[in-house]
Order: sequence, then structure tokens, then C-alpha cells
Amino acid sequence: DIQMTQSPSSLSASVGDRVTITCRASQSISSFLNWYQQRPGKAPKLLIYAASSLQSGVPSRFSGSGSGTDFTLTISSLQPEDFATYYCQQSYSTPPVFTFGQGTKLEIK
Amino acid sequence: EVQLVESGGGLVKPGGSLRLSCAASGFTFSSYSMNWVRQAPGKGLEWVSSISSSSSYIYYAESVKGRFTISRDNAKNSLYLQMNSLRAEDTAVYYCVRCGSTTCYLGWFDPWGQGTLVTVSS
Repeated sequence: DIQMTQSPSSLSASVGDRVTITCRASQSISSFLNWYQQRPGKAPKLLIYAASSLQSGVPSRFSGSGSGTDFTLTISSLQPEDFATYYCQQSYSTPPVFTFGQGTKLEIK
Repeated sequence: EVQLVESGGGLVKPGGSLRLSCAASGFTFSSYSMNWVRQAPGKGLEWVSSISSSSSYIYYAESVKGRFTISRDNAKNSLYLQMNSLRAEDTAVYYCVRCGSTTCYLGWFDPWGQGTLVTVSS
């Protein structure tokens, strides 16, 4: 199975900061990498699909990049509602085994 | 508006069974592959199972293979998860999730239901 590793596991930042979360796959997954945001007590929400495509309705301060094994999620200027846990997920393996990273918890400094 | 509403969660003893349901609305259910994804308390996300639009292709995580069965009824716009031989480690919120395009292979999960809690405890 393809393993997904996120770093850091947790991150403290302030409103207005630029933050970057990384996700590494154990083998190449081309650009088949998605990012989700989960606020406490809520279901996950798709932010970025296919490594760099912004889901409709998601603010443009969110962006994704990468291909192969290394990917990043960047939030250009943190807003209060962005403090949440972020997960990456690959959809490349066949037969399908859709693995997630362990999550990155973004907390207010 | 696309909606996925799960039901059927609850408290069950180890070794017991439970059937989860997901009612879908706001889209052509019969055109999309569907999934179950779970999240143990305080833990990350774990994909559980996928079923193609016509039920021709079904996949399971190794952790549930042989114990869980995914199914769907396109006439009722409903997705199901039959869970047998439940273990304490199956305790989690179970989310019903649609594929963002017609398939999740090379795709993504969107949207997600609100989840239903399954607790396995004696």
C-alpha cells in the first residue's frame, strides 16, 4: 500500500501568517493527491484536488503544489476559520486503497 | 444541494453486528461510486470501502475485509454498510462519501455526510 506522511503533525501560527504543510508519498502518485480540512466536530471538506486544483467555493488563499512523491498545501494569510486539521489523501493506487496522511493540526499561537 | 445523511450507528457489543445506511439526494446517485470512511475518536481518517455505480466493483480495506459488506440500492438512492464480527477497534464515526467525479480512482472524495458514531463496547 502507498503510505502518506504529513509534516508537521501540529503547527502553531497566528492570524495573517503564511503556513505550509507537506505530504510525502511512499511511491510516485503523479498528481493524484487531494487535501481536506476538518474543523472540530465536523465532517472533512475537500479543499484541493489533483494536487493543485482549488475546489469550488474554497478561498484563494489556499493553494496546492507538487507531483510525484512530494506535495505542499499553502495558506497564504491565515484566517481565524482556518484553524483546523488538514489531511492529504492519494487516489493513485490500484486496486483502490485510498490512504490518508495522519493529519496536521493547525492551532492558534 | 447534494446531501448525504447517515443513520444506523449506536452501541454494540464485541462480536455483534450493525447496519449503517446513507440516504443520498441532490444528484444522480446511480452515476457515482460511493464510499465509507471512518475516524476513530481523536484519530485520523481511514478509508473503509468503495462500491462502483452499478455495484460491479467493490473494494475493502484489509482491516475490515471479510467482516464488512458494502452495498447500494440505486432505486432508493441509498448506500449501506453491513458490519459483522465487530471489534473495539471498529469504534469510530463512519462517513458516507461520494466520489467527486464518477469514480474515486484518480479522483477525490466530495462531499461527505455528517457521520454516524459506532461504539463497540461490552
